[in-house]
Amino acid sequence: EVQLVESGGGLVQPGRSLKLSCVASGFTFSNYGMNWIRQAPGKGLEWVAYISSGSSYIYYAETVKGRFTISRDNAKNTLYLQMTSLRSEDTALYYCARGRDSYAHWGQGVMVTVSS
Amino acid sequence: IQLTQSPSLLSASVGDRVTLSCKGSQNINNYLAWYQQKLGEAPKLLIYNTNSLQTGIPSRFSGSGSGTDYTLTISSLQPEDVATYFCYQYNNGNTFGAGTKLELK
Repeated sequence: EVQLVESGGGLVQPGRSLKLSCVASGFTFSNYGMNWIRQAPGKGLEWVAYISSGSSYIYYAETVKGRFTISRDNAKNTLYLQMTSLRSEDTALYYCARGRDSYAHWGQGVMVTVSS
Repeated sequence: IQLTQSPSLLSASVGDRVTLSCKGSQNINNYLAWYQQKLGEAPKLLIYNTNSLQTGIPSRFSGSGSGTDYTLTISSLQPEDVATYFCYQYNNGNTFGAGTKLELK
């Protein structure tokens, strides 16, 4: 069974940094591209970043480009999102999701709250 | 590409045929998916590439469309279909629509 488990969220002050992790199991992690997708409270979904299976291709939403860094460690079956210069508008539930274009597998999400 | 979903709220009865719309600001070239999100849950993939039904999804769900206009149809609404539905394009960048909330009348 495919499982994606996010962690690392919490309350952080504006301008500070936070690193999210997503541990994958139940499939060969190194074969799949991975994404971070977020959802602000009571709002819709926003795709954040994508990383290909071998980390050769990386894409970001314009809203996070230059502040967030997606990475992965295939030996540890883990996806990361390093978030810096956090803003109040980054407050959201962050999901990791498997796939290049359509996402059949999602984690349960991890909450990030940016507030002073 | 921006996606506009309509209506934003839809009330329907069990057994109704329900149609949700998603319109792109540019040609999407059929690179469109539909997700269902129930309260407190992660989104679930229903349809990809406009009309391909994801494994395990009931056949009452179907997708159609081309160009800029796409539709998700539920042929006979069931109580468990109460959810918010998002369209998502991956033709040019990656964009979700704002969602259609489907409730029972």
